[in-house]
Amino acid sequence: DGGITQSPKYLFRKEGQNVTLSCEQNLNHDAMYWYRQDPGQGLRLIYYSQIVNDFQKGDIAEGYSVSREKKESFPLTVTSAQKNPTAFYLCASSDHLQDRDPFFGPGTRLTVL
Amino acid sequence: AQSVAQPEDQVNVAEGNPLTVKCTYSVSGNPYLFWYVQYPNRGLQFLLKYITGDNLVKGSYGFEAEFNKSQTSFHLKKPSALVSDSALYFCAVRDEGTGRRALTFGSGTRLQVQP
Repeated sequence: DGGITQSPKYLFRKEGQNVTLSCEQNLNHDAMYWYRQDPGQGLRLIYYSQIVNDFQKGDIAEGYSVSREKKESFPLTVTSAQKNPTAFYLCASSDHLQDRDPFFGPGTRLTVL
Repeated sequence: AQSVAQPEDQVNVAEGNPLTVKCTYSVSGNPYLFWYVQYPNRGLQFLLKYITGDNLVKGSYGFEAEFNKSQTSFHLKKPSALVSDSALYFCAVRDEGTGRRALTFGSGTRLQVQP
């Protein structure tokens, strides 16, 4: 079955450390997205990529970095510059050409200790 | 800039009664509108979308939504609520006038259906 895999499901990090969240899709989608979810604030866009080797900042990109070396993969690094990284992180993908609806992964809950 | 407002943090309804979850939007171009549902500690599941055509859109699990251009609204409805409908609901918009394909989400509305 096609879908999006996010690992790990729960992640703990010490303050000041960088951490990378994994997102892999086997849907053959061109576009991939990272959102951050905080209680009462809905989902906010961090970064998105419409094709391989290209990505754009979203609304809250500061303190985060991404890469898109392969179509299937869009890892997100939360750097020590992110002031309040504890949140639920959701990865999504969509078929750019077929204009299909964004499909979401199960999410990673990051807690900074 | 595009934006979405969900004015109710929580909606409570009795099982078997109709439910409505409200959503209003702001875009510069033509809107593509979406509803997603989220269960605890899970990703979002697509319910329905409006792109063009009939203002009443039918989606998964008996949900429907009505696009109202003059009121810039896209309220989610269901004729008869189930306890299993209890979840967090998100409205989202994509502005076809901007070229940005990523969705902008509202803050979410928690639906609580009482037995």
